[in-house]
Amino acid sequence: GAVVSQHPSWVICKSGTSVKIECRSLDFQATTMFWYRQFPKQSLMLMATSNEGSKATYEQGVEKDKFLINHASLTLSTLTVTSAHPEDSSFYICSNSRRTGGATDTQYFGPGTRLTVL
Amino acid sequence: AQSVTQPDIHITVSEGASLELRCNYSYGATPYLFWYVQSPGQGLQLLLKYFSGDTLVQGIKGFEAEFKRSQSSFNLRKPSVHWSDAAEYFCAVGRGSTLGRLYFGRGTQLTVWP
Repeated sequence: GAVVSQHPSWVICKSGTSVKIECRSLDFQATTMFWYRQFPKQSLMLMATSNEGSKATYEQGVEKDKFLINHASLTLSTLTVTSAHPEDSSFYICSNSRRTGGATDTQYFGPGTRLTVL
Repeated sequence: AQSVTQPDIHITVSEGASLELRCNYSYGATPYLFWYVQSPGQGLQLLLKYFSGDTLVQGIKGFEAEFKRSQSSFNLRKPSVHWSDAAEYFCAVGRGSTLGRLYFGRGTQLTVWP
């Protein structure tokens, strides 16, 4: 069964609005989650590392004020795209990890959320 | 800087034929290497991973991959492809101490002819 769920699976919004995407770890408590975005026919790009109880760590070039990440519990991380614009349209994917670091960690990916900004 | 190259955007094979998907990486340290498969509506699924040791890695669904340090490659192979293998395949390298921080190639779309 699914280990990671995302909600919604797709969303369409108007330019200038904010959209919240949820990522839930179903089978275990995840102290760390990751957010990726994927453009059509392109690879996944890591956006940020979400740590439970602390601030997220953003990759270079990712606007932290635009992509707000909250990891309020061990099973839920949210990504809010603030003041969304058409260029933010993408496929957003989250993944989780049982613990940070360690060569034996396994990553589980959510099914993704398709965001379309009109 | 780390990078992952999948030179083949799209590959078409007949069912029952052998398959090899290419992956080259550029990474300063010893790489952690992965192959994932992505099917529509489903999350990425890990096929196999390499951290150290035996350079020939066995994965799920009959896939295997061979790490060749001299060629900076980690090619994915399957001796006989099934129609259900049609999907997008991604090679990835782990960066940093946290393995969730993955650097992905652009993917190879596999089409299987009956």
